[in-house]
Amino acid sequence: AQSVAQPEDQVNVAEGNPLTVKCTYSVSGNPYLFWYVQYPNRGLQFLLKYITGDNLVKGSYGFEAEFNKSQTSFHLKKPSALVSDSALYFCAVSPKPTGRRALTFGSGTRLQVQP
Amino acid sequence: DADVTQTPRNRITKTGKRIMLECSQTKGHDRMYWYRQDPGLGLRLIYYSFDVKDINKGEISDGYSVSRQAQAKFSLSLESAIPNQTALYFCATSDPAGEVDTQYFGPGTRLTVL
Repeated sequence: AQSVAQPEDQVNVAEGNPLTVKCTYSVSGNPYLFWYVQYPNRGLQFLLKYITGDNLVKGSYGFEAEFNKSQTSFHLKKPSALVSDSALYFCAVSPKPTGRRALTFGSGTRLQVQP
Repeated sequence: DADVTQTPRNRITKTGKRIMLECSQTKGHDRMYWYRQDPGLGLRLIYYSFDVKDINKGEISDGYSVSRQAQAKFSLSLESAIPNQTALYFCATSDPAGEVDTQYFGPGTRLTVL
């Protein structure tokens, strides 16, 4: 069975500082990995995904994520946080190929960026 | 994503009532999903459908049923609502074309069962 762990319920960071939101996963074989963001009163929006190739994946709004196979991690990063980045972030995993499997989501991490 | 719509957006109901949540999409995707979101638990999959005749249970399907009326429509029913079904419900779609199944979410339905 596949699973995702987001060990931090909340991450606080000052505007302009770098941010990291952590994610580790467990899946049979090689994974597809995703990050989604949820703004208040909105559905989830796709940020980025890892399929294969470069371990550093770039996505929307200046976010990037680093895939580390040996540590089974896929941490979300941004070099300089904005107040508008404050939201709920979800990591998700699917085995490769997706076949008849759906995504498994983590419990979410709330990012709070202080001015 | 405006291409995935959910109705109603908010609903308050009483224990024992039958409730239907509806999802429509204009993305032309074959795959549709229903999730519920609870604080601290993330999103949990209720049911998913890979095409009109292919419906599958997710990890928390007890107390729920679904209907895939057409490629564009996927409804979730609570036959007899109970208070612990109070949650935020999301519909999502995806297109299996290509290597990866990126999911696109509707705005959610906030359901309260009293």
